[in-house]
Amino acid sequence: DGGITQSPKYLFRKEGQNVTLSCEQNLNHDAMYWYRQDPGQGLRLIYYSQIVNDFQKGDIAEGYSVSREKKESFPLTVTSAQKNPTAFYLCASSILGSRLNTGELFFGEGSRLTVL
Amino acid sequence: SQQGEEDPQALSIQEGENATMNCSYKTSINNLQWYRQNSGRGLVHLILIRSNEREKHSGRLRVTLDTSKKSSSLLITASRAADTASYFCATDPQTEANNLFFGTGTRLTVIP
Repeated sequence: DGGITQSPKYLFRKEGQNVTLSCEQNLNHDAMYWYRQDPGQGLRLIYYSQIVNDFQKGDIAEGYSVSREKKESFPLTVTSAQKNPTAFYLCASSILGSRLNTGELFFGEGSRLTVL
Repeated sequence: SQQGEEDPQALSIQEGENATMNCSYKTSINNLQWYRQNSGRGLVHLILIRSNEREKHSGRLRVTLDTSKKSSSLLITASRAADTASYFCATDPQTEANNLFFGTGTRLTVIP
């Protein structure tokens, strides 16, 4: 079945460590996104990519890094520079829309990161 | 911020009643979308309404859009316990290509 797979579902990290969250999609979508969700704050955009080997910062990119070497994959690295990394991270993808409309986003099941 | 704001933040109703959630936003948009999220899960797309549309239906869902007031509403009719979830509006602003901005959500509880 087509969809988006995020892993791991739960991750624990010690302070000062980098961690990488995986996001893979088999929907043949060009655009992929990473959002962070904190309680009561909705979703905030970290990074997005519209094409392989290209990506743009979102509202809260500091302390995060991404790569887009393959169309299917968009991993997110949470670096030690991220001051408050404990959160629920959501990956999404979409068909690359025209400038007139951003279409429906398809989300993975999320990864919950806890810093100990 | 270009985020939408949902109202109310939380809503509790009895099974069979209708639930109405509202979303207000600040910028001109191409479309507005509603998503549902069960606790600890990913978001699921419910419905998309374009800026030139005023009302749209999908099953028990009815969405309205008033671009002059920069607001939208989501109505769930004949609610069921399985409708218990958080509901988010997301706006596609005209000034940003291929980005959606999400509100803080309405937490709906349907009591059996």
